[in-house]
Amino acid sequence: KAGVTQTPRYLIKTRGQQVTLSCSPISGHRSVSWYQQTPGQGLQFLFEYFSETQRNKGNFPGRFSGRQFSNSRSEMNVSTLELGDSALYLCASSPGGRVDTQYFGPGTRLTVL
Amino acid sequence: AQTVTQSQPEMSVQEAETVTLSCTYDTSESNYYLFWYKQPPSRQMILVIRQEAYKQQNATENRFSVNFQKAAKSFSLKISDSQLGDTAMYFCAFMKHVDNNDMRFGAGTRLTVKP
Repeated sequence: KAGVTQTPRYLIKTRGQQVTLSCSPISGHRSVSWYQQTPGQGLQFLFEYFSETQRNKGNFPGRFSGRQFSNSRSEMNVSTLELGDSALYLCASSPGGRVDTQYFGPGTRLTVL
Repeated sequence: AQTVTQSQPEMSVQEAETVTLSCTYDTSESNYYLFWYKQPPSRQMILVIRQEAYKQQNATENRFSVNFQKAAKSFSLKISDSQLGDTAMYFCAFMKHVDNNDMRFGAGTRLTVKP
C-alpha cells in the first residue's frame, strides 16, 4: 500500500496570508490526525478527523482548522499566518479505532516570513 | 494533563553496541498506550514499538525492546546491536485509552550511531 502523502512538501508564505495543506491517508484508513512540530514546542497535536467529523482537538487557536472529505483525504488551513506558525506540519493516518497505531506522512515544511 | 519527559536530549553509541533511551510520563489514567517513534534525518516518522499499559509483558520488536515500569511511570527503549541506520530522533509518546488518537510526545532524544 502507498503510504501517507502530504502536499506540498515545502511552502513559503508571508504574515497575514492563509495556507492550506493536504494529506492523503493510507488506503482504507479513516482517521487523519495533524501535528505541528517546532524546535521550541516539539510535537503538538492539532486535531483529528474521522468520517468527515472532527473527533478530537488540541489546544490551538481558531486560526487552525481542518476538514476531511468522503475519501478520507484531509486538509488543514491556517488563516492570518504568524511568524510562530513556521513549523513542520505532520499528518498521520490510522484505521479509525480509538487507539490505533498512527502512520505518519513526510510533512509539509511551512515557513512564514 | 499528561506529560512525557525524555531527559536525554542527545546520545551516541558505537555500532553493534546496546543503548537505552529513557522516558518517563505523568498520568492519573490506569489504562493507556505508550509508543516509541523514530524520525531519521529528513525522513518521515515511523513506529518503533508500542506497549499497552494493561500488559505486564514488555514489548519487543527485533532489536528493539522496552522496559515498562508502570508504577514508576517509566518506559525506556533498548536498542541492541545498534546499526548506522538507527541514527535518528526518537520520540516517546503517550495516548489515553479513549483519546481518539491524541498522542502526547516527549521532546525527543537525538541518537547517533558511530561506526
